[in-house]
Amino acid sequence: GAVVSQHPSRVICKSGTSVKIECRSLDFQATTMFWYRQFPKQSLMLMATSNEGSKATYEQGVEKDKFLINHASLTLSTLTVTSAHPEDSSFYICSAPPTGRVDTQYFGPGTRLTVL
Amino acid sequence: AQSVTQLDSQVPVFEEAPVELRCNYSSSVSVYLFWYVQYPNQGLQLLLKYLSGSTLVKGINGFEAEFNKSQTSFHLRKPSVHISDTAEYFCAVSVNQAGTALIFGKGTTLSVSS
Repeated sequence: GAVVSQHPSRVICKSGTSVKIECRSLDFQATTMFWYRQFPKQSLMLMATSNEGSKATYEQGVEKDKFLINHASLTLSTLTVTSAHPEDSSFYICSAPPTGRVDTQYFGPGTRLTVL
Repeated sequence: AQSVTQLDSQVPVFEEAPVELRCNYSSSVSVYLFWYVQYPNQGLQLLLKYLSGSTLVKGINGFEAEFNKSQTSFHLRKPSVHISDTAEYFCAVSVNQAGTALIFGKGTTLSVSS
């Protein structure tokens, strides 16, 4: 079946540094990708919708200058956490519906970010 | 806007017992409904989904769910659980519109003990 990969799977960084997380659709094209954040033992909260060739759409309360999203191609979206702080530590998950499909989304395995 | 309510945050059961995880949704338009399972420190795995047609949907690992439009529910069931079913279960909803994200419930922790 269709696969979405995320890289890295785990990252530990110092406070104040920036971290880039990649989300790739491996065998299908995705005009749109979604970024979620999951705190321990909580649900997935939608952060933003990444659109190929245009600006991302952010959910209310999500700082667009802190969480930079770039959808460079039909198979790649990146999330950069800028000037990371300990409160940004979380599990970040991306998902992607194949272009034109509304009934299916494929999820990446997630990236565990720990900010010291 | 759509929303999902999972009525139980934790469900403890004994092995081989039946289980039902409850999910209610709210939407002014027709929806698609999903159940996902998440094992510790892993991503999401799709259990089953309802798009249209038969209201009883069968999924992987012996799970099934029934869509009830009048009660706006999509409860997940399994007749006999295993220890390996211990995980977090999420109900999610989306609409028939391109570029629409899934909206998730808060999750239900299923704990199966022997």
